[in-house]
Amino acid sequence: RKEVEQDPGPFNVPEGATVAFNCTYSNSASQSFFWYRQDCRKEPKLLMSVYSSGNEDGRFTAQLNRASQYISLLIRDSKLSDSATYLCVVARPGGYQKVTFGTGTKLQVIP
Amino acid sequence: GAGVSQSPSNKVTEKGKDVELRCDPISGHTALYWYRQSLGQGLEFLIYFQGNSAPDKSGLPSDRFSAERTGGSVSTLTIQRTQQEDSAVYLCASSSIIAGGTWTDTQYFGPGTRLTVL
Repeated sequence: RKEVEQDPGPFNVPEGATVAFNCTYSNSASQSFFWYRQDCRKEPKLLMSVYSSGNEDGRFTAQLNRASQYISLLIRDSKLSDSATYLCVVARPGGYQKVTFGTGTKLQVIP
Repeated sequence: GAGVSQSPSNKVTEKGKDVELRCDPISGHTALYWYRQSLGQGLEFLIYFQGNSAPDKSGLPSDRFSAERTGGSVSTLTIQRTQQEDSAVYLCASSSIIAGGTWTDTQYFGPGTRLTVL
């Protein structure tokens, strides 16, 4: 089983729609969780960290479910500019915080 | 401030040649990571540096791959006797320990080097 798993998509949604992605992780010792965004042929950039209590940043909401070992990202009122690949990232202790990236979920927002 | 920079941005080489890829991390960042990403694929971890030492080299795919870091700053990834399957974008990222020794884990990526092996 992969350490971090994501549905590759693509998710094709109309502008204004709400879309949610899930990501599952296998190591229960994982401590830190993030969502990164990667535009086509660009480097990944941090979108938001994911906290146990859940957190919101504008139209984006991230949730963590430790019991079921998954994190989620909800995007409300999708914009064309949200089209990108969303990478789930999990960090766990290991001498240093070993970081594992998921393979990403592709989102295409259509007019 | 300056972000992570990588050079060259593109490299085309012939099979069997050696290549060197360079990464300049954000000033003061002690942690440096190399990844590679093949077309349409996720990030594949290669190696991690803390300062000049590499406590995790587990992702290097073969002994043709090596990396070093000097002065706790610049890092070079070397691929010897390149093969066509080495073609990918090689990404470098850096991060730092925040106050109190806690890992921040936020990685700042460079723009990558696109390597094409003919």
